[in-house]
Amino acid sequence: DIVLTQSPASLVVSLGQRATISCRASLSVSTSNYGYMHWYQQKPGQPPKLLIKYASNLESGVPARFSGSGSGTDFTLNIHPVEEEDTATYYCQHSWEIPYTFGGGTKLEIK
Amino acid sequence: QVTLKESGPGILQPSQTLSLTCSFSGFSLSSSGLGVGWIRQPSGKGLEWLANIWWDDDKRYNPALKSRLTISKDTSSNQVFLTIASVDTADTATYYCVGTAPWFAYWGQGTLVTVSA
Repeated sequence: DIVLTQSPASLVVSLGQRATISCRASLSVSTSNYGYMHWYQQKPGQPPKLLIKYASNLESGVPARFSGSGSGTDFTLNIHPVEEEDTATYYCQHSWEIPYTFGGGTKLEIK
Repeated sequence: QVTLKESGPGILQPSQTLSLTCSFSGFSLSSSGLGVGWIRQPSGKGLEWLANIWWDDDKRYNPALKSRLTISKDTSSNQVFLTIASVDTADTATYYCVGTAPWFAYWGQGTLVTVSA
């Protein structure tokens, strides 16, 4: 199975600043055209919400302050400027092969 | 508008078989390229993909649980089913129905399943 390692496990970011979350895969999950990495946001008591698909494609309705980048084994989710409503846990997920796996999550707190 | 809703037993005993149903609307599993799957999350922990079924009845399972999982669909009633055999306490989790693969844009609210003697 492909292991996805997220870092940091938690972070505190000041309102209006930038949050950067990293996801490293145990092997490459991208081709020359696509990164098979997706990002989700989960708030307490709610199911996850898709933010970014194929590494950098913003899902419809998701604010433009969310952005994704990366290729190969290294992917990044950026949130700038962060807002209070961005307090949540963020997960990466690959779709390179079966089984699809998720990162361990990054808990974001806004101060 | 796509909606998915899970239903399950709530609580069951170790060694029993867990049966889950996903009722969905807003799309048809007879449409090419579409699929529905299941993901679970123990309380306070991360996400684990379990299985997916596609419009053409292709089925994929998480190898870690494959021997215990069975996914099926009833296209005419817009339902997908998952059974997990021989459950134990480690199967206690919230189970989500999701569409479509390989990224999951649509999620149900989840159904909590507790395995307890």
